[in-house]
Amino acid sequence: EAGVAQSPRYKIIEKRQSVAFWCNPISGHATLYWYQQILGQGPKLLIQFQNNGVVDDSQLPKDRFSAERLKGVDSTLKIQPAKLEDSAVYLCASSLESGGEETQYFGPGTRLLVL
Amino acid sequence: KQEVTQIPAALSVPEGENLVLNCSFTDSAIYNLQWFRQDPGKGLTSLLLIQSSQREQTSGRLNASLDKSSGRSTLYIAASQPGDSATYLCAVNDYKLSFGAGTTVTVRA
Repeated sequence: EAGVAQSPRYKIIEKRQSVAFWCNPISGHATLYWYQQILGQGPKLLIQFQNNGVVDDSQLPKDRFSAERLKGVDSTLKIQPAKLEDSAVYLCASSLESGGEETQYFGPGTRLLVL
Repeated sequence: KQEVTQIPAALSVPEGENLVLNCSFTDSAIYNLQWFRQDPGKGLTSLLLIQSSQREQTSGRLNASLDKSSGRSTLYIAASQPGDSATYLCAVNDYKLSFGAGTTVTVRA
């Protein structure tokens, strides 16, 4: 079974530029998550999708971050414009369904450096 | 709001020594607790998941305990090896995952 795929693996941009990350979840997984992990901290949930609907985006900085999951499969996370404090690893995860009992499977992450 | 704390932040031990990693959380109304391993530049690998009704879970050299009433979990790694060097993250699931900052473990050969 293929795992969660993410691209690119690394990205370096200057502040005020735009950047987009892509995630392909495990086949058949209805729920997709985007996390932000700043160096030295644990991952923080940015947004959760159930199929192509948003379940929780309470911690997404909506003035600069946006995410979509068209057709309930792949997802993209965009930052526009980027700030220095956005430097972090962006992790995508998926699970069969939403709910407390479901195990989340994580991708390798995209490491973003904003200069 | 759930707060998850992991102590210590870093740990260095000689090979063969047993490892004890601690995790505490503030709200005991959880579905489960999960321990993850993260290698540098890599994503998270799930090690053990303990349901709220369980007291412990074992996999090979790993054993995790859960005391929900006191808001604590402990991960034991027996007979540590250099390959165990990584960051270990605890995550509490109260419908969404709340992570601790992790314990970075170095096992010296």
